[in-house]
Amino acid sequence: DAKTTQPPSMDCAEGRAANLPCNHSTISGNEYVYWYRQIHSQGPQYIIHGLKNNETNEMASLIITEDRKSSTLILPHATLRDTAVYYCIVRGHTGGFKTIFGAGTRLFVKA
Amino acid sequence: GAGVSQSPSNKVTEKGKDVELRCDPISGHTALYWYRQRLGQGLEFLIYFQGNSAPDKSGLPSDRFSAERTGESVSTLTIQRTQQEDSAVYLCASSSYGAPFDTGELFFGEGSRLTVL
Repeated sequence: DAKTTQPPSMDCAEGRAANLPCNHSTISGNEYVYWYRQIHSQGPQYIIHGLKNNETNEMASLIITEDRKSSTLILPHATLRDTAVYYCIVRGHTGGFKTIFGAGTRLFVKA
Repeated sequence: GAGVSQSPSNKVTEKGKDVELRCDPISGHTALYWYRQRLGQGLEFLIYFQGNSAPDKSGLPSDRFSAERTGESVSTLTIQRTQQEDSAVYLCASSSYGAPFDTGELFFGEGSRLTVL
């Protein structure tokens, strides 16, 4: 079973920030939070990951709560091309760990 | 190539036939993963390899499914006596194994779409 829970769908207006939540209350101390997205039928694409500090890259920001039991992916200025399914997963950083994806959140960015 | 390559990209087969799906991971990636994605559904974990070994095969749906990996490179997912419920996109991913500065991310191929008539 997936170790994360996410809302099944969300809407966001184009140009606004999209905030996607994820609960991972059973996360272990050595597990990272990873976010991926899947557009149409393409293979999932890595977005960002973090352990306990907030992270930012050219695609998104990741905010992890102090207790590490939840996180939020932020797309600062959503575009129509950001419409996709977003997956939050937890896994070890190294090695071939069994990596379980949940159902994800389907984000609809509307003009 | 630079990315994960899967073949065939599309496969249509008749119920009861065997199929083989191939995955070529990124060179040097020692971890390899197989997922199944039915239409409109999320990713269903099937199996992963560390090198040529599969520590956990519990995700394989039935004994009709098997996978192997050789030379810490190419992997083959075999489905015997295919059923209509096997119709799905089969995704392969690879990742590096503990390099100091890698992100640990999974790199996915574009998938093999299997249709069982």
